[in-house]
Amino acid sequence: SQQGEEDPQALSIQEGENATMNCSYKTSINNLQWYRQNSGRGLVHLILIRSNEREKHSGRLRVTLDTSKKSSSLLITASRAADTASYFCATDELSFGAGTTVTVRA
Amino acid sequence: DAGVIQSPRHEVTEMGQEVTLRCKPISGHNSLFWYRQTMMRGLELLIYFNNNVPIDDSGMPEDRFSAKMPNASFSTLKIQPSEPRDSAVYFCASTPLGGTEAFFGQGTRLTVV
Repeated sequence: SQQGEEDPQALSIQEGENATMNCSYKTSINNLQWYRQNSGRGLVHLILIRSNEREKHSGRLRVTLDTSKKSSSLLITASRAADTASYFCATDELSFGAGTTVTVRA
Repeated sequence: DAGVIQSPRHEVTEMGQEVTLRCKPISGHNSLFWYRQTMMRGLELLIYFNNNVPIDDSGMPEDRFSAKMPNASFSTLKIQPSEPRDSAVYFCASTPLGGTEAFFGQGTRLTVV
């Protein structure tokens, strides 16, 4: 299965701190995506990184991809209370892991 | 576009009853996905369609589950008969032709009592 697996399962940080979460997958991919899910809502696409890219930025988000290790990381810089959500990675087949729940404390 | 529309938003039904969940993908999107989300299992891919044709239904848990896509603008997920362990939030998502970004609906929260 290409399913992505995120870790840690949960993360609690202070507002203004950075949050880093990781995703590992099993087989070769064409691209990897990160999504956010606010409580009680559907998932929202954040960023896509292609297999030939190593790093990508979007606002306060930074994604890295290491295809040799079959892993990706999502960094949220200068976190805000509104970043409190669950974050998921997905590979080509749009199969998701269990997600990382991030809580940003005011 | 209004986005992916799911109905109903909430459904409470008794064990043994038939449940039908509905999804209207974004106009012009050609792939549609059904997911189930629970605390125990996370977000599970149940089935996906390409151009209205089921491509992979290996995630459908049992024969009690069935999904159809009679046309490009409508899909249903049916559970018959329903059981308490089917209680979950069911999401539908669609992707555009040649695209990879999935657009999710708001979900249907199903409670089977």
